[in-house]
Amino acid sequence: AQKVTQAQTEISVVEKEDVTLDCVYETRDTTYYLFWYKQPPSGELVFLIRRNSFDEQNEISGRYSWNFQKSTSSFNFTITASQVVDSAVYFCALSEAPGYSTLTFGKGTMLLVSP
Amino acid sequence: GAVVSQHPSWVICKSGTSVKIECRSLDFQATTMFWYRQFPKQSLMLMATSNEGSKATYEQGVEKDKFLINHASLTLSTLTVTSAHPEDSSFYICSATAGGPGETQYFGPGTRLLVL
Repeated sequence: AQKVTQAQTEISVVEKEDVTLDCVYETRDTTYYLFWYKQPPSGELVFLIRRNSFDEQNEISGRYSWNFQKSTSSFNFTITASQVVDSAVYFCALSEAPGYSTLTFGKGTMLLVSP
Repeated sequence: GAVVSQHPSWVICKSGTSVKIECRSLDFQATTMFWYRQFPKQSLMLMATSNEGSKATYEQGVEKDKFLINHASLTLSTLTVTSAHPEDSSFYICSATAGGPGETQYFGPGTRLLVL
């Protein structure tokens, strides 16, 4: 079974629109970690956020916000007032027992922001 | 933030040759480094996990004799693709983590390998 599901393969928006990228995860552990990474066309993965399973507080960082809901096993990512520079592939990832060291990635969502 | 470098960023080689890719953590000591492979428009596939001073742990289906990993210091890991073939052409990315379980992995910029 897929442990991290990013159902949206590709999303296209026009600049200044808000966009939400969905991430649903599956784990039997009570302790786990969730991450979001951005991969622009250059290829490097840029770390965006890390959240542990005991911290359900939503987070806002500039135009980025994250909604963590354990009840629905979701960790969604919203970009407000999108910009062309937001165009990238975004990956959601899960780290769980044993070890909590390896990441299970979703398939990624490609976001295209046009001017 | 933590910075991870990778060298080279691009390599083109002939079939049968070996290629070495370096991954360095520039401003922190990496207790664990990871090597991934990514095909176009696909997600990252973990190849192996390496801890400083010990043998790498390879994922199922990854040939350890084909992909040699060395983690000689807390800031350097190398991946050597031995006797490369065209099917080894891919984007290879390393990551490093400084702390314990659940710590953030910081990624290098990746290496694009093309085997002719």
